[in-house]
Amino acid sequence: GAVVSQHPSWVICKSGTSVKIECRSLDFQATTMFWYRQFPKQSLMLMATSNEGSKATYEQGVEKDKFLINHASLTLSTLTVTSAHPEDSSFYICSAGGSSYNEQFFGPGTRLTVL
Amino acid sequence: AQSVAQPEDQVNVAEGNPLTVKCTYSVSGNPYLFWYVQYPNRGLQFLLKYITGDNLVKGSYGFEAEFNKSQTSFHLKKPSALVSDSALYFCAVRRGQAGTALIFGKGTTLSVSS
Repeated sequence: GAVVSQHPSWVICKSGTSVKIECRSLDFQATTMFWYRQFPKQSLMLMATSNEGSKATYEQGVEKDKFLINHASLTLSTLTVTSAHPEDSSFYICSAGGSSYNEQFFGPGTRLTVL
Repeated sequence: AQSVAQPEDQVNVAEGNPLTVKCTYSVSGNPYLFWYVQYPNRGLQFLLKYITGDNLVKGSYGFEAEFNKSQTSFHLKKPSALVSDSALYFCAVRRGQAGTALIFGKGTTLSVSS
């Protein structure tokens, strides 16, 4: 099956620093990647949709200047949390797919803790 | 807008008993429905999907789901629960055409006791 990886799996950073999370589709090309955020014991909330080579589409209420998304190739999307604050601490999950796929393939998630 | 509802926060069953995790949906057009499972601090694992075809969908780890159009439901079932099935289960609906995002229910915690 299709495999999606995320790196790092967990990260701790100081308030005010920026953190980059990578999402890779390992054995297929993903024209579309999605970024979700999950608080403890809660559902996944879609943050943004990124299409390879174009700007990401952000969901209402998500600050695009704070959560920078880049999808420069068909196998890599990155999420950069800029000037992170403790309230940005969360579990970030990416998924990959595209119009050729009926389902999405999820990465294992990245646990971000901002001190 | 597409949405799914999981009316139960938690479901408790004894090992060996059948289990059902409920999901109802609200969509415009054809529904594309999914079930995922999540173990603590892990990503989502795909269980099964309904795109079209038979109303009874068989998936991974012995799970199945029944698509019921008249009741707008897509309940997840398993004939005999295992302790290892204890996890957080999410129902999801695809927002639109292939390649669009999934909209998730709030999740249901399944607890299987030995």
